[in-house]
Parts: sequence; C-alpha cells; structure tokens
Amino acid sequence: GAVVSQHPSWVICKSGTSVKIECRSLDFQATTMFWYRQFPKQSLMLMATSNEGSKATYEQGVEKDKFLINHASLTLSTLTVTSAHPEDSSFYICSANLGTEAFFGQGTRLTVV
Amino acid sequence: TQLLEQSPQFLSIQEGENLTVYCNSSSVFSSLQWYRQEPGEGPVLLVTVVTGGEVKKLKRLTFQFGDARKDSSLHITAAQTGDTGLYLCAGAKDNFNKFYFGSGTKLNVKP
Repeated sequence: GAVVSQHPSWVICKSGTSVKIECRSLDFQATTMFWYRQFPKQSLMLMATSNEGSKATYEQGVEKDKFLINHASLTLSTLTVTSAHPEDSSFYICSANLGTEAFFGQGTRLTVV
Repeated sequence: TQLLEQSPQFLSIQEGENLTVYCNSSSVFSSLQWYRQEPGEGPVLLVTVVTGGEVKKLKRLTFQFGDARKDSSLHITAAQTGDTGLYLCAGAKDNFNKFYFGSGTKLNVKP
C-alpha cells in the first residue's frame, strides 16, 4: 500500500512555544491531506482538510489560528501548533487518500509541559 | 458528536471465541473502512466496503456493509491474541474525500 510518513514521532515542548509536524506522502502525490487528533483511548477526530495550494478547511470547533496548516507541495503538509498549552497535548495523525482509501502516518505524540 | 457510533466500546474475550463489532450511523456514506490501531501508531487499513449489502472476508475477519450504507459490522472468528487492538470504522463522505471515524472498540483477546 501507499506510504505516508509523519515527523517527528514524538515531541515535548514548553508551554507557549510552537511545534511543527510534517506529513509526507512518500510514493504518491496528494492534493488533499487530513489532520486528526486522538485523545487517549478515544477515536480520531478530524481537525482539518489540507488542500495543496490553497487554504485548509477546518472542522467546526477547531481554531484555525491555533492549528496552522500549510500544504506547499503535492507531497508535504505541515501542522503547526502555535503557542502550545498543556491541553494541546495529544496524538496527532495525518492521512492522505489514494483513490478511495486513506493511508495514515505513524502519528506524532505531542506533550506540552 | 460522533458521526459513527461503535459498539461495544470495550471487549475482553478468551482466545478462540467469536465476536462482532458494530458501526452505526444515521448518515449515508460513500464507503466504509475498518482499521486496526496499535498504541502509539497510526491506524492500519483492514478493508474497504463500497456497495450496500457487500460482504468481504479476510481470513478470520468478515466485514459487512449495510444495505442502506449507514452501518457496518466486523465479525472475527476464533479470535487470537494477535487480534488485540483498537478497531475503528471510518465512513467516507464528499465523494471519498473525507473520512469520519467511529468511536472505536478496544478488543483484548486473552490467552
């Protein structure tokens, strides 16, 4: 199957700083990528749709100024958590579609201290 | 609010037992996918069902898509300890462009 790679796998940052997470489609091009957030023992919640060359589309309740998304190329989308706070600590996962199937990155564990 | 509700939320069974996980919604989906997720990793795709009433078998796993394309089930026969994990259903909307995940079922298969 297709490969989607996320980096970093885990990150610890201080409260008030910003953190960037990268999502790459390694063997295919993706005009659209998706960012999810997952709390412990819970399912994935769609945060936003990242569109190559245009603005991201955010789901209801997700702060666009807090979670900046950039999709500068057909193989790379980035999620920047700005001015991170402890409540932003979570598991963030990206995905990209190939045909009718979604392929997921390994996830990034963010801990804000 | 979860668009897709899964039941049960937790399931702990002995190796060799059978089980069924349900995924229900009031919405219609273009397709429905089932994933298994290990702790600290991204979900791994198990199957995609597209046609209402479709049944797909993957070794000991049987997946069914409801006739109205609003619900699905996953049946595991003779569960093994390696089946332990978080099972997630995900429905595709907007012409397969968006996937919404179910609430998840945590399965623990004991030896």
